[in-house]
Amino acid sequence: AQKITQTQPGMFVQEKEAVTLDCTYDTSDPSYGLFWYKQPSSGEMIFLIYQGSYDQQNATEGHYSLNFQKARKSANLVISASQLGDSAMYFCAMRAAYSGAGSYQLTFGKGTKLSVIP
Amino acid sequence: DSGVTQTPKHLITATGQRVTLRCSPRSGDLSVYWYQQSLDQGLQFLIQYYNGEERAKGNILERFSAQQFPDLHSELNLSSLELGDSALYFCASSRGGSNEQFFGPGTRLTVL
Repeated sequence: AQKITQTQPGMFVQEKEAVTLDCTYDTSDPSYGLFWYKQPSSGEMIFLIYQGSYDQQNATEGHYSLNFQKARKSANLVISASQLGDSAMYFCAMRAAYSGAGSYQLTFGKGTKLSVIP
Repeated sequence: DSGVTQTPKHLITATGQRVTLRCSPRSGDLSVYWYQQSLDQGLQFLIQYYNGEERAKGNILERFSAQQFPDLHSELNLSSLELGDSALYFCASSRGGSNEQFFGPGTRLTVL
């Protein structure tokens, strides 16, 4: 079974500062994918970034980057230069291993609520 | 805007009732996933359809069922509703073999 652990229920960061949101995972599959989603107070789920288990380089998207440490089974999200609009819930998720039936359902962590302070 | 649409946005109903949630995937996406987000259970995968066929089942109750139609839109049917079914229900879509799943805005279900 796959498991995602996010140990920080809530975090505060000063505007323009960098912040790291922690995510550790557990899986016995050699091939997997890791995702981060953002959920603002309005409720929608916004895809941020993806890292494949065989990707050699850490993924980056705008001011988001994923610090992937495979041996430690961690996939932390780094937000550089935080903006007020970054205040939201952030979810780490893992894609289930390919089942042969084309299924790629996601397993989510409990989330971290990030508050950016002006 | 992810391109995935869900209706209705909000739904308020009573215990014992039946409701239908609708999802239209992004143009060209063949896979539709349904997820439930509740305060106590977090985000949970319910069921997946690919091009009209059921592909995977997660923690979906027997009172819940889904289908995907030839035009690729999907419906999630929830029956004999209980207070604990109150949640935000998301639909997500992806292309076959794609890594990314794009989520709709969700349907907030309140069971009174």
